[in-house]
Amino acid sequence: DAGITQSPRHKVTETGTPVTLRCHQTENHRYMYWYRQDPGHGLRLIHYSYGVKDTDKGEVSDGYSVSRSKTEDFLLTLESATSSQTSVYFCAINLEDGGNEQFFGPGTRLTVL
Amino acid sequence: AQSVSQHNHHVILSEAASLELGCNYSYGGTVNLFWYVQYPGQHLQLLLKYFSGDPLVKGIKGFEAEFIKSKFSFNLRKPSVQWSDTAEYFCAVTINQAGTALIFGKGTTLSVSS
Repeated sequence: DAGITQSPRHKVTETGTPVTLRCHQTENHRYMYWYRQDPGHGLRLIHYSYGVKDTDKGEVSDGYSVSRSKTEDFLLTLESATSSQTSVYFCAINLEDGGNEQFFGPGTRLTVL
Repeated sequence: AQSVSQHNHHVILSEAASLELGCNYSYGGTVNLFWYVQYPGQHLQLLLKYFSGDPLVKGIKGFEAEFIKSKFSFNLRKPSVQWSDTAEYFCAVTINQAGTALIFGKGTTLSVSS
């Protein structure tokens, strides 16, 4: 089974501070994604990666950056957190089964005060 | 741009009632379709998926969905719901190109009373 861990699982921070969320996978999948989940919006793509050092923007990328220096780790950084970034953040991997099925991590609940 | 529309925001049913959740997508090409479920406090889990072949797909926990290409629809069904089916359900679509991200609907909250 695919394994994904996210850290931290919960975080409370203040407006204006930088925050980094980590996603770690155990099976060397090529494609990784960061989504945010908000009530009434479903999940929306923030950024994705198609390999080490290869990333691209998603639908809601403003205020976020990502890095992927190793296959197994995909970091999401909020450069200067705002209250509008209070959300639940999910990392996902593409199982590369020919149909783009994605497996999701447990999520990080971020509160920006 | 692709989009996914889920018609029901909140559905309330009694145990043993039948369920149908609507999902329509907008994209003219070949798509892959998914239903994910999120139980309270948990992460998303795959219920079922359609890549190709038989348009009626069966998933876990007695759920099924039918892909109707002419209607751009992928509705989720279950003949008899249980209290444990209380959750949020998301329809998602991706184009048939390696690595493409999922486009999600806004979700449907299902509440089942015992």
